[in-house]
Amino acid sequence: QSALTQPASVSGSPGQSITISCTGTSSDVGGYNYVSWYQQHPGKAPKLMIYEVSNRPSGVSNRFSGSKSGNTASLAISGLQAEDEADYYCSSYRGSSTVVVFGGGTKLTVL
Amino acid sequence: QVQLVESGGGVVQPGKSLRLSCLASGFTFTSYGVHWVRQTPGKGLEWVASISFDGNKINYRDSVKGRFTISRDNSKNTLYLQMNSLRAEDTAVYYCARDYREYQLLFSFDIWGQGTMVTVSS
Repeated sequence: QSALTQPASVSGSPGQSITISCTGTSSDVGGYNYVSWYQQHPGKAPKLMIYEVSNRPSGVSNRFSGSKSGNTASLAISGLQAEDEADYYCSSYRGSSTVVVFGGGTKLTVL
Repeated sequence: QVQLVESGGGVVQPGKSLRLSCLASGFTFTSYGVHWVRQTPGKGLEWVASISFDGNKINYRDSVKGRFTISRDNSKNTLYLQMNSLRAEDTAVYYCARDYREYQLLFSFDIWGQGTMVTVSS
């Protein structure tokens, strides 16, 4: 099993908002502000959507936002669009021999 | 444009070796840490190894320590992963990825290659 826990799937209708959670421990998510979120479409490489908990790289829509509370980080997507349908992965710096850990991924379905 | 292109994947028997390469272009390779991240078919992402911009700081996940070696040749804008004593559980798509911030290893990856498949099977 993955080091960080994400729901296996979430769904929403176009225009709606959804949130994906990512739960870790005080050794990773809760201990550092180095949580990232990636979007991956089938057969494609992951794409960075959020870094340092809540920062968006240039070119990423402001419909995507990140936050953190304690050992749980969250990715929110507002105004769902068909192209948002993809797998989403969180990651966190851990600061141990395994310096970065990923969640198991969440499949977002846009109904 | 900014890109990373992996090569060197293939089918290899357990216990054998393989070397992956990742050619960078479109950015100042010498300013960035770079990483290898793998993805088991149909499953999630797993960080493998990292190397700082100058090659002085290197990290590995526990399961590959002593078997894999990450290196870089800044004169060739190329990252490598030497994989020895390969096991079936090393079967995955291997991506090279750039750290998003210059001169630091912050383990957030903003540029990814297209991936190269490694299959370990007898």
